[in-house]
Amino acid sequence: QQQVKQSPQSLIVQKGGISIINCAYENTAFDYFPWYQQFPGKGPALLIAIRPDVSEKKEGRFTISFNKSAKQFSLHIMDSQPGDSATYFCAASRGSSNTGKLIFGQGTTLQVKP
Amino acid sequence: SQTIHQWPATLVQPVGSPLSLECTVEGTSNPNLYWYRQAAGRGLQLLFYSVGIGQISSEVPQNLSASRPQDRQFILSSKKLLLSDSGFYLCAWSVLTSAFFGQGTRLTVV
Repeated sequence: QQQVKQSPQSLIVQKGGISIINCAYENTAFDYFPWYQQFPGKGPALLIAIRPDVSEKKEGRFTISFNKSAKQFSLHIMDSQPGDSATYFCAASRGSSNTGKLIFGQGTTLQVKP
Repeated sequence: SQTIHQWPATLVQPVGSPLSLECTVEGTSNPNLYWYRQAAGRGLQLLFYSVGIGQISSEVPQNLSASRPQDRQFILSSKKLLLSDSGFYLCAWSVLTSAFFGQGTRLTVV
């Protein structure tokens, strides 16, 4: 009930391509779904987040698609760049007062080839 | 703007030694504070969180403890480290928004 399952584990994309990372959750009480980007040796940085009342959120080249009925959400990185090469984590939490109490997916290592 | 400071960046400690990792947040009041651990190549696991001074909730049973002596200070401790305590420890804060992470402490127990 508390798990967030993330796929794929690793992803290689050509420069300019679209990177897609998927996550699925089981606990319908989750109401906040952020994505984080992490470079080696650094802390995760918040990329973009969504709540279940919308099906899509876009910020620059990053888009979250959310399917409440399927309990799935995904991150799309458009026009992927070598600088996007990093590990990406999806996460989920519940309760507007505790958005930092997160359940994380296992991460996806993205490599964007020049 | 808000900033989070976490130190040290790296630490090598012998088995059985004590541990104290410190985290401070600037630019915000009464934040929720969190300690996470990340094992190599894995996702992050919540260890402790705090909604106020002296208020600590533990998420997993372990050899570690946490304390919040001041509003914007969060400390992770151990009396005697185990080999299994090695990992990347991350402090985070939130105030009705997303969680923001520090740069982490790489702990190696030898």
